Amino acid sequence: DGGITQSPKYLFRKEGQNVTLSCEQNLNHDAMYWYRQDPGQGLRLIYYSQIVNDFQKGDIAEGYSVSREKKESFPLTVTSAQKNPTAFYLCASSRDSGTSANNEQFFGPGTRLTVL
Amino acid sequence: DAKTTQPNSMESNEEEPVHLPCNHSTISGTDYIHWYRQLPSQGPEYVIHGLTSNVNNRMASLAIAEDRKSSTLILHRATLRDAAVYYCILRVYNNNDMRFGAGTRLTVKP
Repeated sequence: DGGITQSPKYLFRKEGQNVTLSCEQNLNHDAMYWYRQDPGQGLRLIYYSQIVNDFQKGDIAEGYSVSREKKESFPLTVTSAQKNPTAFYLCASSRDSGTSANNEQFFGPGTRLTVL
Repeated sequence: DAKTTQPNSMESNEEEPVHLPCNHSTISGTDYIHWYRQLPSQGPEYVIHGLTSNVNNRMASLAIAEDRKSSTLILHRATLRDAAVYYCILRVYNNNDMRFGAGTRLTVKP
């Protein structure tokens, strides 16, 4: 089946450790996104990528890093510089076209990160 | 960025229609209106989107006001599985990101 996979579903880390969250899609989408969601809140954009080897910061990029070496993969690293990393992280993808706003985004199931 | 305003919560009875409102008075002429919904501990799911005309799909209908300053998501017969947080989002033309607000939490009563 086509879709977006995120692993793991739950992740626990000690404070001060970097952690990398996986996101893979087989939808042949050009654009990929990372969002963060805190309890009772909407999603906030961390990073997005419109094409391989290129990505842009979203609203809350500080303390995070990404790479886009392959079209299918967009891993997110939560670094020790992120002051409050415990959250629900969501990855999404979409077709990129001249009218991007006319395309829907497909979301993965999310990774719940808890920093102890 | 143009913002949206939604009620925090709404209730509906099962098998009755539900009208979820969204105000976007500062919308620009090229902003698309998108609706997503999110079940607990899951990623958001696309519901419907439109620009100027009303839209229908297998999940819902989207009614857009003539001046485009408001829209309404219509679920024709609510089921228990429709209980979720519904987000109304404006997407800027040729812009890849989306801005989520707090959304409307829909409760469906049997």
